[in-house]
Amino acid sequence: AQSVTQLGSHVSVSEGALVLLRCNYSSSVPPYLFWYVQYPNQGLQLLLKYTSAATLVKGINGFEAEFKKSETSFHLTKPSAHMSDAAEYFCAVSFTGGFKTIFGAGTRLFVKA
Amino acid sequence: DAGVTQSPTHLIKTRGQQVTLRCSPKSGHDTVSWYQQALGQGPQFIFQYYEEEERQRGNFPDRFSGHQFPNYSSELNVNALLLGDSALYLCASSPSGALSYEQYFGPGTRLTVT
Repeated sequence: AQSVTQLGSHVSVSEGALVLLRCNYSSSVPPYLFWYVQYPNQGLQLLLKYTSAATLVKGINGFEAEFKKSETSFHLTKPSAHMSDAAEYFCAVSFTGGFKTIFGAGTRLFVKA
Repeated sequence: DAGVTQSPTHLIKTRGQQVTLRCSPKSGHDTVSWYQQALGQGPQFIFQYYEEEERQRGNFPDRFSGHQFPNYSSELNVNALLLGDSALYLCASSPSGALSYEQYFGPGTRLTVT
């Protein structure tokens, strides 16, 4: 069965520090992978997506993620955290021939001044 | 260009009641999916509508039903509400030709069941 695991329900970093949010997936077919951000009381906004082209994907707000098939991972990074990055981040996966998107449980990012 | 819109924003219902939530997809999109997001959890897929038919369904009971209209807008109906149905309900739309399965999400409807 397909699934998504986000390691760490909470991550805290200092402003200006590296952000690393971890995501691993389980799939028997090539996946499409996504990272979404959710601010309090809002819907989901797409940060970036992997669709079998370049393995290093650049998204909005300075975020990027690297697809590593051998590790079944799609970790999200940002070189320098900003206070405005504090939010909930969701890794998600979908598949060719499937219609639903499977989400991880989310990682809440805290940014300390 | 309006994105995905949902109504109402918030809703309070009593156990046993029925509720209808509404969604208008992004312009140019004809596929609508509904998700339930319980507090502190990731969104869970309820079902997807395309060409006015339910195309795929997640692991939700028959109390959850939906409809898609010719203008591609959609409704989610929940009957016999339970306390556990309290959640943020998200609507997402996508164009049928999209190969990347990217979805655009609305702001959600916060349902509270008392």
